[in-house]
Amino acid sequence: EDQVTQSPEALRLQEGESSSLNCSYTVSGLRGLFWYRQDPGKGPEFLFTLYSAGEEKEKERLKATLTKKESFLHITAPKPEDSATYLCAVQARNYGQNFVFGPGTRLSVLP
Amino acid sequence: GAVVSQHPSRVICKSGTSVKIECRSLDFQATTMFWYRQFPKKSLMLMATSNEGSKATYEQGVEKDKFLINHASLTLSTLTVTSAHPEDSSFYICSAGRENYGYTFGSGTRLTVV
Repeated sequence: EDQVTQSPEALRLQEGESSSLNCSYTVSGLRGLFWYRQDPGKGPEFLFTLYSAGEEKEKERLKATLTKKESFLHITAPKPEDSATYLCAVQARNYGQNFVFGPGTRLSVLP
Repeated sequence: GAVVSQHPSRVICKSGTSVKIECRSLDFQATTMFWYRQFPKKSLMLMATSNEGSKATYEQGVEKDKFLINHASLTLSTLTVTSAHPEDSSFYICSAGRENYGYTFGSGTRLTVV
């Protein structure tokens, strides 16, 4: 069964304490893996798209990597404003243009 | 960048009435729009996929007669929650785009049925 899981469910970090969020997927024919940030009461905000194993992308304190089974979102020296829920989603050939979302990781960065 | 406007951001309605939510792509043409529902502290659940000029494709378990979707133009899709009940209270989010171009999410609509 195709599915997307994320861990941990929730993560509390001190400001400056680097960490990684995990997104594991089991889908056939991956077309792309997407990372989004969602603030409470808002729609998801696009961060990255990764298409093939070994690909990496960076934006400010965030770096996303992809393997054949999982993706990591590395957060370096986080700040309180990085607090949000981080969602990953996949597009696969079986689903056309549809996204399959993971449950998300709620990140809290304490000052 | 691509901008998607979703309106209203919040709506409160009485049980039994209908509510319309609009999703507009402001600076691009969206051949496909997705409608999602999100419960508190949960991820997005796809309700339906809407392609311009054709009937929406609903996910299993989503009542098409209750959640009416219209995608009449390349810049506008609407979701109408008919005969709303308290259990329909939720956060509804649209996403608009087209293949090989990418998809952008709206800011969401908080529906409360009293």
